[in-house]
Amino acid sequence: DVKVTQSSRYLVKRTGEKVFLECVQDMDHENMFWYRQDPGLGLRLIYFSYDVKMKEKGDIPEGYSVSREKKERFSLILESASTNQTSMYLCASSFGGQTTYNEQFFGPGTRLTVL
Amino acid sequence: QQPVQSPQAVILREGEDAVINCSSSKALYSVHWYRQKHGEAPVFLMILLKGGEQKGHEKISASFNEKKQQSSLYLTASQLSYSGTYFCGSWGKLQFGAGTQVVVTP
Repeated sequence: DVKVTQSSRYLVKRTGEKVFLECVQDMDHENMFWYRQDPGLGLRLIYFSYDVKMKEKGDIPEGYSVSREKKERFSLILESASTNQTSMYLCASSFGGQTTYNEQFFGPGTRLTVL
Repeated sequence: QQPVQSPQAVILREGEDAVINCSSSKALYSVHWYRQKHGEAPVFLMILLKGGEQKGHEKISASFNEKKQQSSLYLTASQLSYSGTYFCGSWGKLQFGAGTQVVVTP
């Protein structure tokens, strides 16, 4: 079974803190994604990566950065957390390189609260 | 602009049918459907790659009309396990709809 794990299920941080969310997949997938999920807005893509050290912006990259130094690991970084970044963050992975027409496997999510 | 799903929510009795629609103002090259149960991660249901393609998963099927830039998901003879939020995802540019909450009651 494909497994996508995220470092924390729940996280509470203060405004201005630097926050790292980690995601690891064990199926040698080329693509990895970070989404945030908010009520009424569904899943919105923040960044995705189709290879090590490669990244592309999604719809809402402002206030976020990412890092992919190893194929299995994709990190989301909030340089200076703000209250409007309180949300559920979901990581996903899929086969396919730059072809994104493949099934995505999602992690359990990290619920981040910024106070 | 993300795909638009309708309805936002639907309540069904076990055994009833429902249709969830997903439409886009942009060209759709493929459509993905996912289901997310409460407190869980979204789970893949199916991908439709060609206009007119239809697929099925259990008694859940979908169609994709490329010309109309829309896809529909059909829940047939619904079961309690069908409860959850259904998302369509459009590719060309990776975007998901806001979701349709489905509640199936006994």
